[in-house]
Amino acid sequence: DIQMTQSPSSLSASVGDRVTITCQASQDISNYLNWYQQKPGKAPKLLIYDASNLETGVPSRFSGSGSGTDFTFTISSLQPEDIATYYCQQYDNLPPRLTFGGGTKVEIK
Amino acid sequence: EVQLVESGGGLVKPGGSLRLSCAASGFTFSSYSMNWVRQAPGKGLEWVSSISSSSSYIYYADSVKGRFTISRDNAKNSLYLQMNSLRAEDTAVYYCARSPELPSGTPRYSFDYWGQGTLVTVSS
Repeated sequence: DIQMTQSPSSLSASVGDRVTITCQASQDISNYLNWYQQKPGKAPKLLIYDASNLETGVPSRFSGSGSGTDFTFTISSLQPEDIATYYCQQYDNLPPRLTFGGGTKVEIK
Repeated sequence: EVQLVESGGGLVKPGGSLRLSCAASGFTFSSYSMNWVRQAPGKGLEWVSSISSSSSYIYYADSVKGRFTISRDNAKNSLYLQMNSLRAEDTAVYYCARSPELPSGTPRYSFDYWGQGTLVTVSS
């Protein structure tokens, strides 16, 4: 199975800071990589699909990039409402094996 | 408004069975793949199973294969997960989640809507 290494596991940043989270796949997954936000006690929310596509209704301060094995998720200007845990998720299609990264907890400094 | 509402969770003894349901509304249920994703207390997310819109394609994580069965009833806009031979490590919040399908009928495997989850606790 493909392993996803997500880093860091947690970070603390100030409001307005640029925040970057990385996910590395153990093998080439093309652009089959999604990013989710999960707030405490809530279901995850899709932010980015297929590595770089912003889901409808998601603020433009969120972005994603990468392909192959290395992916980056960025919050361009951290807002108080962005406090959450963020997960990457990959899928390979034949047959599908979906795996999530370990998560990154984002806190306000 | 898209809504997914899970039910059927609870406390069950090891080796026991439970059937989860997910009631969908606000979209054309028969046009989407559906999935179950779980989250153990304080832990990360784990994909459990997926079923295509017409039930032609069904997939499971290795951790549940042979014990869990996913199904759907498009006439009732409902998704199900039959869980047998439950183990302590199956304790988790179980979410149902929707996946768009590509024109070819292949799921895109990005989960664009999620339910609120139902807690399954396996303990003696």
